[in-house]
Amino acid sequence: GNSVTQMEGPVTLSEEAFLTINCTYTATGYPSLFWYVQYPGEGLQLLLKATKADDKGSNKGFEATYRKETTSFHLEKGSVQVSDSAVYFCALSPRGYSTLTFGKGTMLLVSP
Amino acid sequence: GAGVSQSPSNKVTEKGKDVELRCDPISGHTALYWYRQRLGQGLEFLIYFQGNSAPDKSGLPSDRFSAERTGESVSTLTIQRTQQEDSAVYLCASSFGQAMNTEAFFGQGTRLTVV
Repeated sequence: GNSVTQMEGPVTLSEEAFLTINCTYTATGYPSLFWYVQYPGEGLQLLLKATKADDKGSNKGFEATYRKETTSFHLEKGSVQVSDSAVYFCALSPRGYSTLTFGKGTMLLVSP
Repeated sequence: GAGVSQSPSNKVTEKGKDVELRCDPISGHTALYWYRQRLGQGLEFLIYFQGNSAPDKSGLPSDRFSAERTGESVSTLTIQRTQQEDSAVYLCASSFGQAMNTEAFFGQGTRLTVV
């Protein structure tokens, strides 16, 4: 079956620190991969996505590269801000399917 | 409205009662999804609509759960004879096309508490 595994949180960082949130997946074929973010009091929103191997998704300073050989899609940011504090969800959508399979989410807390 | 709207935002119900949760998707979005998030867990897929049809109901946890969509717009998720394990945040999302090809927009969810 399809599944997504994310690192446990919360991840606590100081402002301007480097961020990595690990995500690995299991899927049949070659799925599309996504990172969604949920800011406090708001709904989930798409942060970035990649649809094929070696693609790099990027947005708001965040990046993730689709690594087929390691079945991973780790989220990175070079310098986090307090406003990045949120819950981050890794997700996949298998080819030919219309649904998203999510990980459990990783809470990020950034302090000034 | 501009986004996906869900109502009510919070619902407390007694065990054994029926509840209805409503989702108003973004206008023109053909695909609509229901997810459940229990405390400490990831998002659990429940059901997917394309138009008014539900080609994938595989995530509905029991026959107490049902959903419908009318006019390719509003959807209602009904839980009959609620149990305490039904307590969760129920999230609705909509998208213009298939999830793999386009962005899914989520509502803020309905927090259901069964006491």
